Amino acid sequence: TQLLEQSPQFLSIQEGENLTVYCNSSSVFSSLQWYRQEPGEGPVLLVTVVTGGEVKKLKRLTFQFGDARKDSSLHITAAQPGDTGLYLCAGETAGGGNKLTFGTGTQLKVEL
Amino acid sequence: GAVVSQHPSWVICKSGTSVKIECRSLDFQATTMFWYRQFPKQSLMLMATSNEGSKATYEQGVEKDKFLINHASLTLSTLTVTSAHPEDSSFYICSASDLANYGYTFGSGTRLTVV
Repeated sequence: TQLLEQSPQFLSIQEGENLTVYCNSSSVFSSLQWYRQEPGEGPVLLVTVVTGGEVKKLKRLTFQFGDARKDSSLHITAAQPGDTGLYLCAGETAGGGNKLTFGTGTQLKVEL
Repeated sequence: GAVVSQHPSWVICKSGTSVKIECRSLDFQATTMFWYRQFPKQSLMLMATSNEGSKATYEQGVEKDKFLINHASLTLSTLTVTSAHPEDSSFYICSASDLANYGYTFGSGTRLTVV
C-alpha cells in the first residue's frame, strides 16, 4: 500500500505569515498533484508536477517535487484568509491504472 | 475546462434502503471514473475504479455487493449504496479522468446521511 504522509496535519496562522506543507512517501510517483478542498465540495487541482526537482510557482504558492519523486512541498507566502481549506497531495503511479493515492491532508486556517 | 457533475449533492435515507449517486462528465468522455469516500476532516479514500463497459475494480476492504458501480457509458457512472446503514453516512466524491486533455476532474461530492 502506498502511503503519502502530510505534515503538519493542522495549521492555524495569522494573515501575512508564510507556511510550508510537506508530502512524503517511500514510493516513487510518476507525477504528483496538489489539491485544495473546501467543506462540502470536491477537491480542486492546484498544480501537477512530473519531473524530479521541478519547481512550479502559482502566484503566492510554490510547489516543489523531490529529486527522487517521492516527496513534495507546498509553500504559501503571505497567507490570506481565502487560502483556508484542506490541502491534499496526490500521487500517480506509472502503470498503476492511473489511480491517484491521496495524502493524509493538511487543514489550514488563516485568521485575520 | 472539464466539468464533472455529481448528483445529488446531499441525500438523507432510512436504514435498509438503497441510494444511487450519479457522476457525469459534461464536456468530455471519461474512460475511467473513480469513486472516493471521505470522512470529516480526513483525506479521500479510493473505493473503486470504474471503467466503461467493464466491471469495476474495488479497493481492498470495500464490499462490492454493498457499493454497486455501473459505468454504462463514457459520460456516466453510478454508485449505488445498497441496504444503507448509519455507518455508511459519509461524503462520496467521484472523479473522471481524461488524461490526454484534462487529467482528473472531481465532482462536487454527495453528502449521504443514513438515519
